[in-house]
Amino acid sequence: SQQGEEDPQALSIQEGENATMNCSYKTSINNLQWYRQNSGRGLVHLILIRSNEREKHSGRLRVTLDTSKKSSSLLITASRAADTASYFCATPPSGSARQLTFGSGTQLTVLP
Amino acid sequence: NAGVMQNPRHLVRRRGQEARLRCSPMKGHSHVYWYRQLPEEGLKFMVYLQKENIIDESGMPKERFSAEFPKEGPSILRIQQVVRGDSAAYFCASSPGGLDFNEQFFGPGTRLTVL
Repeated sequence: SQQGEEDPQALSIQEGENATMNCSYKTSINNLQWYRQNSGRGLVHLILIRSNEREKHSGRLRVTLDTSKKSSSLLITASRAADTASYFCATPPSGSARQLTFGSGTQLTVLP
Repeated sequence: NAGVMQNPRHLVRRRGQEARLRCSPMKGHSHVYWYRQLPEEGLKFMVYLQKENIIDESGMPKERFSAEFPKEGPSILRIQQVVRGDSAAYFCASSPGGLDFNEQFFGPGTRLTVL
């Protein structure tokens, strides 16, 4: 079963609006990461939040992590058309394992 | 410092042929991961390798799929006797060694189409 599940599956907003995507996971984690994938391209790492952190900022990105609810959110402020992409949360299992488990993603469309 | 390189970018094979996908990690990275992505889905882990060693292949199909990361040269994902269901995008990622988990840097992917 999926470790990370994003919600919503698809989101369409106007340029300048904020976009919020959520991710839930099932098992304990060391960290949670968000990636972006433009259509037909590879993944770009956006931000990593560790299990002992509650909130992290990077430019127009804000990530929160609630380990008690096993959930994370990614907020993109003042969205631009160039933000149109699929966004995935990914978690490595706790312990020494290093591979990432990805959710099925949120497809964000920012309309100009 | 070049990023993760994958080739070919697109590969077309007929059923029953072999597919070889190559991945050159970022300079200084000793860990390589292969993922498969079906249309409209997230990436699924296949295999994790370090130089000359397979560390975790729990995501690899039991038959027809193999991976290697030799001492010299790129990592290779090999699919024998391809079937239509193997059509997907295959992504390679690399990370440096060390005790702390590091972010993974992804290549552009190889899109395999099986006719």
